Order: sequence, then structure tokens, then C-alpha cells
Amino acid sequence: EDKVVQSPLSLVVHEGDTVTLNCSYEVTNFRSLLWYKQEKKAPTFLFMLTSSGIEKKSGRLSSILDKKELFSILNITATQTGDSAVYLCAVAYGGATNKLIFGTGTLLAVQP
Amino acid sequence: EPEVTQTPSHQVTQMGQEVILRCVPISNHLYFYWYRQILGQKVEFLVSFYNNEISEKSEIFDDQFSVERPDGSNFTLKIRSTKLEDSAMYFCASSPDRVGETQYFGPGTRLLVL
Repeated sequence: EDKVVQSPLSLVVHEGDTVTLNCSYEVTNFRSLLWYKQEKKAPTFLFMLTSSGIEKKSGRLSSILDKKELFSILNITATQTGDSAVYLCAVAYGGATNKLIFGTGTLLAVQP
Repeated sequence: EPEVTQTPSHQVTQMGQEVILRCVPISNHLYFYWYRQILGQKVEFLVSFYNNEISEKSEIFDDQFSVERPDGSNFTLKIRSTKLEDSAMYFCASSPDRVGETQYFGPGTRLLVL
């Protein structure tokens, strides 16, 4: 069965801390792994990863993919209260189109 | 910056009624998707649409569901006879191309079936 598993399920940190969110997957015909940030409604795109070992960065966020071990991490340094959200990992895989399978998400709460 | 839009933002309906959820994908995108998220659960794939026909659909997307691109801009999801368990947030997404392209999500429609 295709699946995406995220850990931890939730995380509470203080402003300025660094966090690492994990995503492991088992899917057939892997195409890419995507990270989204979900605050109140729509998942907002963060990163798409297709190649192993190449770090993608955007400001304080970075992510890397390991296609051999089938996982990805999302790092957030110097966290701010505005980083509080659910972070979703999704894998595009198989079939005729890039349907996404999502993990349950990691709820990050950043306290002042 | 172009974005996916959805209407309505909220819809309350009675069980057995038909609902139509509307989406306007990003204008130069070619692939369109519907996902749903039941409260407290994962985002789940429903259907993908390309070149005016369904490309793939999940087990959830049964005969009660249909999709349509009635004109050059709108993409709709119809639920023919709603059930209580259809209550969820429905997200529309679009992408420029199939292979290795990012899907961009709309703000969602919160559907509540009473």
C-alpha cells in the first residue's frame, strides 16, 4: 500500500529554535516529493524535490531528499511565531497524472 | 501572482441535495485536480483532469461525483446526492504540466452536509 508518514505529529518550540520535520514514503513510481505549509486553508507550496542529496533552500527553510532511504527532511532555523502551521509532505507518484499522496502533517507551534 | 480560486468558501446543504463546487485554475495550467480533507484527516486525492477528460480517479470518486470544465476557465466538482460523510474541505489544484510539476492549491470549499 502506498503511504507517506510524517513525524512528529506535533511539535511545540520557542522562537529562535531550529526544528527538523521528517517524512518517509513508500510509493510505486515515485516522481517527486513536495512540502506544503497549511495555515488556515490552502496548502501553500514550499519545495519540490526530485533528486537525492540536493538541498533546496528558501530563507530559513531548507529541505533535502534521500531516494535510497525513502525520506525527506524539512528544516526551519530561527523559528518565528509566523512559522506556526501544519507542514504537509506529499509524494507525486504513478499513473497517468501527478496525483499526490499526503502524510498526516506535522503541527508546529512556535511560542514567543 | 496567479492563484487558484474557489467558490463558495463555505457551503451547507441537506443530505441528498446536489452541490457544485467551482474552481478557476491558474490560466496557463493544463492539469486540474480535486482533493478533499475530512476534518482531522489527511488530504486525499479524488480526481485528475486533462484535455477535457478524467485522467485518474480514486476509489472515493464514485458515481455520485462528476467533474466538468464547462468553459475555458472554470473547473467544477458536482456531488449528485450528498451524504453526511461528504462533509469535508474540498481543494482544487492545478499544474502546468504532468511530469514533475508543482500543484498549486486553491483556498478550498468547506462543505457541510446536514
